[in-house]
Amino acid sequence: DAGVTQSPTHLIKTRGQQVTLRCSPKSGHDTVSWYQQALGQGPQFIFQYYEEEERQRGNFPDRFSGHQFPNYSSELNVNALLLGDSALYLCASSWRDRGTGELFFGEGSRLTVL
Amino acid sequence: KQEVTQIPAALSVPEGENLVLNCSFTDSAIYNLQWFRQDPGKGLTSLLLIQSSQREQTSGRLNASLDKSSGRSTLYIAASQPGDSATYLCAVTTDSWGKLQFGAGTQVVVTP
Repeated sequence: DAGVTQSPTHLIKTRGQQVTLRCSPKSGHDTVSWYQQALGQGPQFIFQYYEEEERQRGNFPDRFSGHQFPNYSSELNVNALLLGDSALYLCASSWRDRGTGELFFGEGSRLTVL
Repeated sequence: KQEVTQIPAALSVPEGENLVLNCSFTDSAIYNLQWFRQDPGKGLTSLLLIQSSQREQTSGRLNASLDKSSGRSTLYIAASQPGDSATYLCAVTTDSWGKLQFGAGTQVVVTP
């Protein structure tokens, strides 16, 4: 049973560029959430997708956008990159109908903005 | 606004000692609490999930307690091993959708 998979694992961009990160949820999961983790801090909630709709959003600017596909996989897009966007981006999946709220995380995508 | 705090920020123990990690939260109206392990540069591994109606959960050498009224959870790791070295994060959610509010973590080093 494959867990949550994310790609790419590492990437380097320059300020002003755009980036797309991808996530495939754990088998059977239908809800995908994205988190940003700066060095030495706990992850911060970006947004959550269910039934291809953004269900809730954290305190992140509109430069951060996402999408969920019919197969439940998801993308995170960040436009006009800033140095402060350098972080580990984590994708988490869960099974809405189970209702426990338990999340399972992928290994993350490490973004460096120069 | 919910705030989650983990003290201490770092902890070093000799192999074989029991580990006690603390997590506190300001709003007791939580749905559940999760403990995670994170190795350097890696993702999060779920260790234990405690529902708000539960007082504790156990898995092998790990035991987590929850006291909602006082806003505290404690993770106990028995007979620590060097392989337990990692950062341990606790997180709470206020509903079944699982939007997590994390603490900053406790970095643990177990020395041989």
